[in-house]
Amino acid sequence: DAGVIQSPRHEVTEMGQEVTLRCKPISGHNSLFWYRQTMMRGLELLIYFNNNVPIDDSGMPEDRFSAKMPNASFSTLKIQPSEPRDSAVYFCASAPPRGFVEQYFGPGTRLTVT
Amino acid sequence: RKEVEQDPGPFNVPEGATVAFNCTYSNSASQSFFWYRQDCRKEPKLLMSVYSSGNEDGRFTAQLNRASQYISLLIRDSKLSDSATYLCVVGGGGSYIPTFGRGTSLIVHP
Repeated sequence: DAGVIQSPRHEVTEMGQEVTLRCKPISGHNSLFWYRQTMMRGLELLIYFNNNVPIDDSGMPEDRFSAKMPNASFSTLKIQPSEPRDSAVYFCASAPPRGFVEQYFGPGTRLTVT
Repeated sequence: RKEVEQDPGPFNVPEGATVAFNCTYSNSASQSFFWYRQDCRKEPKLLMSVYSSGNEDGRFTAQLNRASQYISLLIRDSKLSDSATYLCVVGGGGSYIPTFGRGTSLIVHP
């Protein structure tokens, strides 16, 4: 079975540019999470979708960040404009209906903003 | 007090040793507990769930102590390949948002 798929795996961009990260969750999973991980702050939850609906976006740092889930098999996280402090690894994870704590992570996107 | 706390380590142990990590949580109503493993520059991967009755999977044993609000992970006969960061996750209890600990680093040396 295919796991969570994320693209791109690496992204290097200049400050001020728009960045779009993509995620395809595991088929049949109804929860989707976007996380950001840095050495300083660890793993931070940015936003959580359930059945394609955003349930909690309190972790989104600021208005420069937005996320969408137009259907059950696709989600995007957009940063516009990007800043050097956004440099981090961004993970997408999905969870089955039986429990949202049982999460399956994608390989992550390593974002570097110069 | 942080919601989920772990000793960051690193725990540096020789091959064959037994090592244990604890993870404390603040929400007494929490209902779901898991351990994840994260290798360097990789994504977290689900390791095992944690039940009050204990959960054993080969060399790994996870336990929950509700009275003292902590979960534990015991690794017996450590292997070099066990070197990783171990993250605990706590969820439920009125919040659907799972909370990850910062992780405990384990280094197993020859």
